[in-house]
Amino acid sequence: SQTIHQWPATLVQPVGSPLSLECTVEGTSNPNLYWYRQAAGRGLQLLFYSVGIGQISSEVPQNLSASRPQDRQFILSSKKLLLSDSGFYLCAWSASGAGQDETQYFGPGTRLLVL
Amino acid sequence: TQLLEQSPQFLSIQEGENLTVYCNSSSVFSSLQWYRQEPGEGPVLLVTVVTGGEVKKLKRLTFQFGDARKDSSLHITAAQPGDTGLYLCAGPSGGSYIPTFGRGTSLIVHP
Repeated sequence: SQTIHQWPATLVQPVGSPLSLECTVEGTSNPNLYWYRQAAGRGLQLLFYSVGIGQISSEVPQNLSASRPQDRQFILSSKKLLLSDSGFYLCAWSASGAGQDETQYFGPGTRLLVL
Repeated sequence: TQLLEQSPQFLSIQEGENLTVYCNSSSVFSSLQWYRQEPGEGPVLLVTVVTGGEVKKLKRLTFQFGDARKDSSLHITAAQPGDTGLYLCAGPSGGSYIPTFGRGTSLIVHP
């Protein structure tokens, strides 16, 4: 069965510091991968998605970047965090290819607090 | 403009009551997913509906996909405190495989 991991679970960082959040998926190959940010108790904002190694699409211009160095690894980064980067970050995967189930499966999330 | 509108935004009920939450759009969706999310955790998939008019049941939860595949509903019978959470609907439209999410319905069931 497939599993998705995120770490760290919680992170407190000062303004201006760098960020690296990691997401890995097990039990599937060539997944589509996604990074979302969620405001407190509300819907999801898509930040980045990737259909393959080194292929990143950005949905929202911001202080963040994403990379996919390996097939099942997705990294969210920032060189200098802003207060507004605080939030709950979720990684998700879905099966790729025409005719595949488009359902997304989410990781446990990372709570980021920028002070 | 939100592609998927969920209503109500908030719902606070007593244990044993029934409720329905709605997910509406002017766009056609190839499928719709319903998720439940608890505080501090990632959304967990409840169901995917694909066929217009489809009805799926998951214990006390009944999901329906509209005939035109533009809307969906979730009905909970005899709600329990364990049903508390944020209910999100999502689905891909316009030929994209990337789903759009509604803003969610926050449900609290009091014992």
